[in-house]
Amino acid sequence: GAGVSQSPSNKVTEKGKDVELRCDPISGHTALYWYRQRLGQGLEFLIYFQGNSAPDKSGLPSDRFSAERTGESVSTLTIQRTQQEDSAVYLCASSPRTGKVSYEQYFGPGTRLTVT
Amino acid sequence: AQKVTQAQTEISVVEKEDVTLDCVYETRDTTYYLFWYKQPPSGELVFLIRRNSFDEQNEISGRYSWNFQKSTSSFNFTITASQVVDSAVYFCALSEAGRNAGNMLTFGGGTRLMVKP
Repeated sequence: GAGVSQSPSNKVTEKGKDVELRCDPISGHTALYWYRQRLGQGLEFLIYFQGNSAPDKSGLPSDRFSAERTGESVSTLTIQRTQQEDSAVYLCASSPRTGKVSYEQYFGPGTRLTVT
Repeated sequence: AQKVTQAQTEISVVEKEDVTLDCVYETRDTTYYLFWYKQPPSGELVFLIRRNSFDEQNEISGRYSWNFQKSTSSFNFTITASQVVDSAVYFCALSEAGRNAGNMLTFGGGTRLMVKP
């Protein structure tokens, strides 16, 4: 079946502009995660959605970052007034559900964001 | 708070050598899960294995094997008879499933494995 898809694959933007990144999770997966990967580093958790529950925003680095998800479908991550330190690959992942059991997360190909 | 440490940032081996990638974790939860992911040069993360904290049995999958030891908080990954296609960055990750319903992953910094022909 189809995996997690993300768009755009690459985005170059000028400092101060807003950007919107999109993620399409695997159909039927109720949990959706956004992570950030800076060059040569591991992944940092940003935000998590589970069904219609309130999202866990504990990983968002500043109030310039926000994300939305409608039901169990597409999610968008928005970065306002981008800064050079926002340059990274933004990865989306989905998993069947969450709770007492941690299921593997399936990752999309990522969006490489470059802020000039 | 949880933490994952992969002390080896880069390893270089010659094809057919065995190689072990180390992973040490910290958590206060008694219920947790450990994962390994592979990130080839294409960039997409590929899931390799999931192990829960109550199952310390080692696992073997083809040339891959994993050694989980709670006593040392380690979850090491061994590739036997390495191949050039194994060249990638490998990430170890931890998810706490007890009180943290989000099950988000905490990643180590990754180990870059280069297998030379």
